[in-house]
Amino acid sequence: ILNVEQSPQSLHVQEGDSTNFTCSFPSSNFYALHWYRWETAKSPEALFVMTLNGDEKKKGRISATLNTKEGYSYLYIKGSQPEDSATYLCGGSGGSNYKLTFGKGTLLTVNP
Amino acid sequence: SQTIHQWPATLVQPVGSPLSLECTVEGTSNPNLYWYRQAAGRGLQLLFYSVGIGQISSEVPQNLSASRPQDRQFILSSKKLLLSDSGFYLCAWSTETQYFGPGTRLLVL
Repeated sequence: ILNVEQSPQSLHVQEGDSTNFTCSFPSSNFYALHWYRWETAKSPEALFVMTLNGDEKKKGRISATLNTKEGYSYLYIKGSQPEDSATYLCGGSGGSNYKLTFGKGTLLTVNP
Repeated sequence: SQTIHQWPATLVQPVGSPLSLECTVEGTSNPNLYWYRQAAGRGLQLLFYSVGIGQISSEVPQNLSASRPQDRQFILSSKKLLLSDSGFYLCAWSTETQYFGPGTRLLVL
């Protein structure tokens, strides 16, 4: 089972600020890295799946990078908006059965 | 398109009572299915996963069990609930990405 760590645990930013957070995982036995956005009282929403070292994915103002050699992924949000407020979950899988081990998440609060 | 259903949405149960949470998936066949739990103050923990009918893998020892009686049905059960079983339970199915259901909030009193 992968040990997935996320930092920071929580983050408060002002509307318009750009921000980023980290997901780290063991670089050995790695298969794929998933990012999810989880709003209160809703189910987690898939953002990105990345498998290759150097992968970069983008969805609107949100982007992510992957470094499998050193075992980390960054999630970036450009020009944060209040509706970006959510918990951002990172999950790693060590095999093709798509079984994920999640970090504890980063709780982002964007103040208007 | 694929959809995933969970019910009930909220459940309050006394300690020692049985539990049955149901999850069904539409629009896909032979999916991998998962049960997760988020306990208060903790991350999302994988409880069970299934790659086919009758095939269940348990990830952590606990007071719960899972069954998959049909291809697109996944059931989470307990014979006697404990206070520590309280939490938010999520069912998911996957291809390359995991897609989550709406969740069940369980409070054991």
